[in-house]
Amino acid sequence: SQQGEEDPQALSIQEGENATMNCSYKTSINNLQWYRQNSGRGLVHLILIRSNEREKHSGRLRVTLDTSKKSSSLLITASRAADTASYFCVFEGSARQLTFGSGTQLTVLP
Amino acid sequence: NAGVTQTPKFQVLKTGQSMTLQCAQDMNHEYMSWYRQDPGMGLRLIHYSVGAGITDQGEVPNGYNVSRSTTEDFPLRLLSAAPSQTSVYFCASLLERGVGTQYFGPGTRLLVL
Repeated sequence: SQQGEEDPQALSIQEGENATMNCSYKTSINNLQWYRQNSGRGLVHLILIRSNEREKHSGRLRVTLDTSKKSSSLLITASRAADTASYFCVFEGSARQLTFGSGTQLTVLP
Repeated sequence: NAGVTQTPKFQVLKTGQSMTLQCAQDMNHEYMSWYRQDPGMGLRLIHYSVGAGITDQGEVPNGYNVSRSTTEDFPLRLLSAAPSQTSVYFCASLLERGVGTQYFGPGTRLLVL
């Protein structure tokens, strides 16, 4: 499979805590994106980071990219119950196809 | 703009039946794709298109056909449905690969008995 791998597969935290999830991939990439999927719903784009960028912020989200380790992390600060969802990394490889990671299920407890 | 629309939202088929999942976008995006999502897994690419008249296979193309006669529409055809095709199907569009955000439709839940 060409899918990226994400860890942890599931994460449960208390409201107000930070949540970190990681994504690893095997090929060289042009960019990497993170998406959120609420249960039974479609996907919502969160943030895109290009291969020449190392860190990017958007509101409570911080994404890092380490191309030497072929990995990325998504940090959600001051989590809220509404952040409960599945989070997927998506990367565009040299073949210019978009490949999804396996996802991290985040549960934020009130 | 309506964005990316998919019909139907839910469908039940018997093994061997055929059907077409519709996908349309009104954003004049060049790139469109179909994914399937199975429980506990990420999305897997079935077919994609980089423009009208051009389609290509993704990771899991067997049992599916696509066509792209217009920029707006990208239907997915199941030729002879099998229980293994029970899944949630998402259509997505992107202005241009490598640029910007991919927009997803709401999904079609397919159950094959």
